[in-house]
Amino acid sequence: QKEVEQNSGPLSVPEGAIASLNCTYSDRGSQSFFWYRQYSGKSPELIMSIYSNGDKEDGRFTAQLNKASQYVSLLIRDSQPSDSATYLCAVGNDYKLSFGAGTTVTVRA
Amino acid sequence: DGGITQSPKYLFRKEGQNVTLSCEQNLNHDAMYWYRQDPGQGLRLIYYSQIVNDFQKGDIAEGYSVSREKKESFPLTVTSAQKNPTAFYLCASSMRGLGSGELFFGEGSRLTVL
Repeated sequence: QKEVEQNSGPLSVPEGAIASLNCTYSDRGSQSFFWYRQYSGKSPELIMSIYSNGDKEDGRFTAQLNKASQYVSLLIRDSQPSDSATYLCAVGNDYKLSFGAGTTVTVRA
Repeated sequence: DGGITQSPKYLFRKEGQNVTLSCEQNLNHDAMYWYRQDPGQGLRLIYYSQIVNDFQKGDIAEGYSVSREKKESFPLTVTSAQKNPTAFYLCASSMRGLGSGELFFGEGSRLTVL
């Protein structure tokens, strides 16, 4: 079983719609959770971090964490063509940070 | 502006050659990391360093070596022992340690073995 699994995608959404990205993890001791965005050929950049159960909103992005279900998600509201990228989920504890393989999102005009 | 600088951006290597990738940061971060990314895969940790003159192997350290003589610098050498070195290499740093900190990445170095 992979430590961090993401829905494989690619995910295609119309402009203005909500993109929903999912991530599950295997280590119940995980304490920190991150979403990175990576444009094609570029390096990842952090867009959200979440540490406690519930929702965290930042502009058009909302991260949701459910530690009991070992599940973290990212919602992108009012999707824009500039949101077209690969989104990496990362899960950490005191000694390790594990990345998922990423979900590629394409926002179509 | 603070950030992480990796060089070179593109590098071609003949089989049997060692190459060194440079990584310099001016964020005053203690922790630095090297990751490898292959198409369709997540980032895999090669080496990390939480303090000067100390570093630890990550998940895929075989065929790689690092040094951390200065806080700002964490070069990675890809040796001839690395069987499949063609990949995108990413250097990162964080204020806090592995797993608990938010990573800042350099622009990456793309290595191709001819």
